[in-house]
Amino acid sequence: QVQLQESGPGLVKPSETLSLTCTVSGDSISSYYWGWIRQPPGKGLEWIGYIYVSGSTNYNPSLQSRVTISIDTSKNQFSLKLTSVTAADTAVYYCARYFGGNSYYYYDLWGRGALVTVFS
Amino acid sequence: DIQMTQSPSSLSASVGDRVTMTCRASQSIITYLNWYQQKPGKAPKLLIYVASNLQSGVPSRFSGSGSGTDFTLTINSLQPEDFATYYCQQSSTTPQTFGQGTKVEI
Repeated sequence: QVQLQESGPGLVKPSETLSLTCTVSGDSISSYYWGWIRQPPGKGLEWIGYIYVSGSTNYNPSLQSRVTISIDTSKNQFSLKLTSVTAADTAVYYCARYFGGNSYYYYDLWGRGALVTVFS
Repeated sequence: DIQMTQSPSSLSASVGDRVTMTCRASQSIITYLNWYQQKPGKAPKLLIYVASNLQSGVPSRFSGSGSGTDFTLTINSLQPEDFATYYCQQSSTTPQTFGQGTKVEI
């Protein structure tokens, strides 16, 4: 059974960098796309971006200048870095598998989510 | 960006009811449309992919339809565990976008 688990600091100071890691267990991280989605408290879902095992990425243009998603196949992990955070970046951050084929893709497996609060 | 508009924002229903909610895209997304269910404090769960395909393990009372700009999620015979918020998501164009959600309440 494939499982995803987010990890990282729950508190980040304004202007600093948010860093989260998603560890995939039960299957190899290879051959799939992997994504990050966030949800501010009490609000809807916002797509952050995704990465393929090759390292190619696709980011939300609204965050592109601040976001980096990377992958480490040796550790079966992928990571999110978001720089220059503000209170608006406070959210539950989910990692998810972006699965599909023939250009039709969807998030079929999700981590439990990690709440990150930007707080001075 | 493609805007995804869900309606209604919330609805009240009873166990056994047939419930229908809609998702409208601001431009054609063909069938690049997925539906997720989210319960409080939990991660979203994939219900329907590519507009009408039932994800493995999801009860058959859930169904999806539509193409182009207008899509529908139907729950036949609502069960107690179906009270949740439902989101649509388009994967046609970057940035991927989600609807604002439809909350199904008792």
